[in-house]
Amino acid sequence: DQQVKQNSPSLSVQEGRISILNCDYTNSMFDYFLWYKKYPAEGPTFLISISSIKDKNEDGRFTVFLNKSAKHLSLHIVPSQPGDSAVYFCAATPDSGAGSYQLTFGKGTKLSVIP
Amino acid sequence: EADIYQTPRYLVIGTGKKITLECSQTMGHDKMYWYQQDPGMELHLIHYSYGVNSTEKGDLSSESTVSRIRTEHFPLTLESARPSHTSQYLCASSGNGPGELFFGEGSRLTVL
Repeated sequence: DQQVKQNSPSLSVQEGRISILNCDYTNSMFDYFLWYKKYPAEGPTFLISISSIKDKNEDGRFTVFLNKSAKHLSLHIVPSQPGDSAVYFCAATPDSGAGSYQLTFGKGTKLSVIP
Repeated sequence: EADIYQTPRYLVIGTGKKITLECSQTMGHDKMYWYQQDPGMELHLIHYSYGVNSTEKGDLSSESTVSRIRTEHFPLTLESARPSHTSQYLCASSGNGPGELFFGEGSRLTVL
């Protein structure tokens, strides 16, 4: 049973527009959430995270929103650039402290930004 | 800049062979992990380590084994490879920050 769900396998967006990637989770114990970006033939790289005590975290063009009551988070990329084309993985962990060893990942959403 | 290295990047072998996937990190991280990923699927944790001489199995059952004799080194071994082991294996490490993992580039294994 998937605990972290990314229901859109792919997303295409025009350059300069907003990209919105969605993620839902089912485990109420999750309280720290992360987004990773993966290019072909490379390992995932950390992008941005959010703790359950917040509802928004921003880093440059990337913003993550968390709706804890809906068990939903989203990643917004504004403006989208062709270099953002990659697979984006949502991940969650039940512990935001030193014990957060184990991340549960979604299946990923492949973002294509069209020039 | 994360420094974690995996070798080989690609490996094609026959059934029954023993293989070891190497993973090394130069960041002095205590925690290290092995994830397995099939195309279009989520990453599944198969092994992790809190530090030297500590190894634990992850959520996904795996016939592979790991060892952690040195902080920087976390190799994964398959004693007898089978076609069902064909997958991408990703090694990662983390420091004391919550959840942020640094991944290697992965080892793509194909067993014929």
